[in-house]
Amino acid sequence: GQQVMQIPQYQHVQEGEDFTTYCNSSTTLSNIQWYKQRPGGHPVFLIQLVKSGEVKKQKRLTFQFGEAKKNSSLHITATQTTDVGTYFCAGGTSYGKLTFGQGTILTVHP
Amino acid sequence: NAGVTQTPKFQVLKTGQSMTLQCAQDMNHEYMSWYRQDPGMGLRLIHYSVGAGITDQGEVPNGYNVSRSTTEDFPLRLLSAAPSQTSVYFCASSYSTGGTDTQYFGPGTRLTVL
Repeated sequence: GQQVMQIPQYQHVQEGEDFTTYCNSSTTLSNIQWYKQRPGGHPVFLIQLVKSGEVKKQKRLTFQFGEAKKNSSLHITATQTTDVGTYFCAGGTSYGKLTFGQGTILTVHP
Repeated sequence: NAGVTQTPKFQVLKTGQSMTLQCAQDMNHEYMSWYRQDPGMGLRLIHYSVGAGITDQGEVPNGYNVSRSTTEDFPLRLLSAAPSQTSVYFCASSYSTGGTDTQYFGPGTRLTVL
């Protein structure tokens, strides 16, 4: 079945450093979604990418979808303490299935 | 709108007990799903529904039952709780099929099975 692998599992950074998490699918995706989960909270939708090679930005967050539509990345520039949490990618297929990656837990030290 | 609501927030069960986790949404979403979240495992799909009266199994359905009698409600039943079912359970809904549309998650139910 479809697998979505996400690395790293954990990332500890100093405030102001950059952060990147990577997502790889075993199959071609129709779209990739990214979610953020604050400690003790629930996943909250951040963005969806649909087009091959697509790049989207939300303030300090940059999202990329690979040319082959099998990988994606989320990059945070100059992390802040408010960025702490778990970041999930989720790969969608044309027949309606959504598979989540394992998530990357981000810790930001002030 | 309240969005997606889940009850209870916390629950402790003994092995063998049964219970129902409640989920409701007021956004008139057709697609609803249940996930469990375990450390290092991400979110794994238990069951999902594409509309009232239609349900199907996800990745980890064993030990769980669901039904969808209305668009708004999608309860998850644990038939005979086991320690392996200790987890955080999230209900989610979306306007259309789960693979192509934003998922709105409820606040979660934290379940411990002793």
